[in-house]
Amino acid sequence: GAVVSQHPSWVICKSGTSVKIECRSLDFQATTMFWYRQFPKQSLMLMATSNEGSKATYEQGVEKDKFLINHASLTLSTLTVTSAHPEDSSFYICSARTPLAGYTGELFFGEGSRLTVL
Amino acid sequence: EDQVTQSPEALRLQEGESSSLNCSYTVSGLRGLFWYRQDPGKGPEFLFTLYSAGEEKEKERLKATLTKKESFLHITAPKPEDSATYLCAVQRGSQGNLIFGKGTKLSVKP
Repeated sequence: GAVVSQHPSWVICKSGTSVKIECRSLDFQATTMFWYRQFPKQSLMLMATSNEGSKATYEQGVEKDKFLINHASLTLSTLTVTSAHPEDSSFYICSARTPLAGYTGELFFGEGSRLTVL
Repeated sequence: EDQVTQSPEALRLQEGESSSLNCSYTVSGLRGLFWYRQDPGKGPEFLFTLYSAGEEKEKERLKATLTKKESFLHITAPKPEDSATYLCAVQRGSQGNLIFGKGTKLSVKP
């Protein structure tokens, strides 16, 4: 299947600092990427939908000023957690949809990024 | 409200003991139902997409089926390497984002 790469796979930072996570589609162009968050033993929760060249669409309850999303190219989307706090510690996963099948294209996920805020 | 419920939460099997995982859903206008496998600390790995009731798909020891209200993931003669959390998700909306269930954690003992 299609390959989605995420970096870094884990990061530890101090409270108050900002952290950037990159998501790349390696073998296809993704006009739309999705960012999810997963707490231990919980399901994946959609945070935002990222569209290339336009502003991201955030789910209800997700602070857009805290979780900055940039989708500057067809193969790269970034999530920046600004002024991170311990409660932001989580597993962040990006995904991208292959363009061939339109709306029902299959969604492939990155390996995830484990963020720990001290 | 769109909702996905998976059962059981956890399932322990002996190697070779076949079983099924259930995914019940309520969604307005189902565009697709997805099954993923997730290993600890990893992102979900795509398994299947089902689009209409009656559809079935197979991959090695796994077989996914779909009805109007639920989907089953059948595991035939599982092996220890099949141990993982299996996630079910439904697709909604024109953007194609997914609503996930909480998953079923499968453990297969040798």
